[in-house]
Amino acid sequence: DVKVTQSSRYLVKRTGEKVFLECVQDMDHENMFWYRQDPGLGLRLIYFSYDVKMKEKGDIPEGYSVSREKKERFSLILESASTNQTSMYLCASSWGREPSYEQYFGPGTRLTVT
Amino acid sequence: DQQVKQNSPSLSVQEGRISILNCDYTNSMFDYFLWYKKYPAEGPTFLISISSIKDKNEDGRFTVFLNKSAKHLSLHIVPSQPGDSAVYFCAASGLWGQGAQKLVFGQGTRLTINP
Repeated sequence: DVKVTQSSRYLVKRTGEKVFLECVQDMDHENMFWYRQDPGLGLRLIYFSYDVKMKEKGDIPEGYSVSREKKERFSLILESASTNQTSMYLCASSWGREPSYEQYFGPGTRLTVT
Repeated sequence: DQQVKQNSPSLSVQEGRISILNCDYTNSMFDYFLWYKKYPAEGPTFLISISSIKDKNEDGRFTVFLNKSAKHLSLHIVPSQPGDSAVYFCAASGLWGQGAQKLVFGQGTRLTINP
């Protein structure tokens, strides 16, 4: 059974703080992803990684950075948190091989920036 | 530029009846489509998928239909049960970025099953 875990379920931070969101998967997946979910906008891809130390920008990378030092761990960093980064953050992982493109999601981190 | 659209933000269905959730896409390069289900305070879970070489895929109470010419897919749930109440996301794949498949998600449809 694939398991994707996220370091916190709920987080409250102040504007300007540096925020780290951690994600760990236990299935030896090559690919890992960070999304944010906002009402009416669905899931939007922030960054993804297809290998250790490799990363690629998604659709909304501004204000975020990522780190993947080990295959099982993918971190999302908010360098200087702002109120418009208040959102639900979801991490996912996948094999990255055909024919299934299924991604497995963690439970999410509800981040509030005040 | 919303490449995957779910035009109904919400849907309410009587228990036991059929639920039909719709999804439209614009990019003809998409070759695989997935439906995810999401309960509050949980991550999305995979429900069912379909390859572009098929027009129908069935799994128990869930059936996905794909109409490539119309760039439209739909999810049918028969019969609907109260536990089906959740937000459903349609997703499409086929856009490669450095070797990793990316999924493009729709906005989601909140399904409510009434007893």
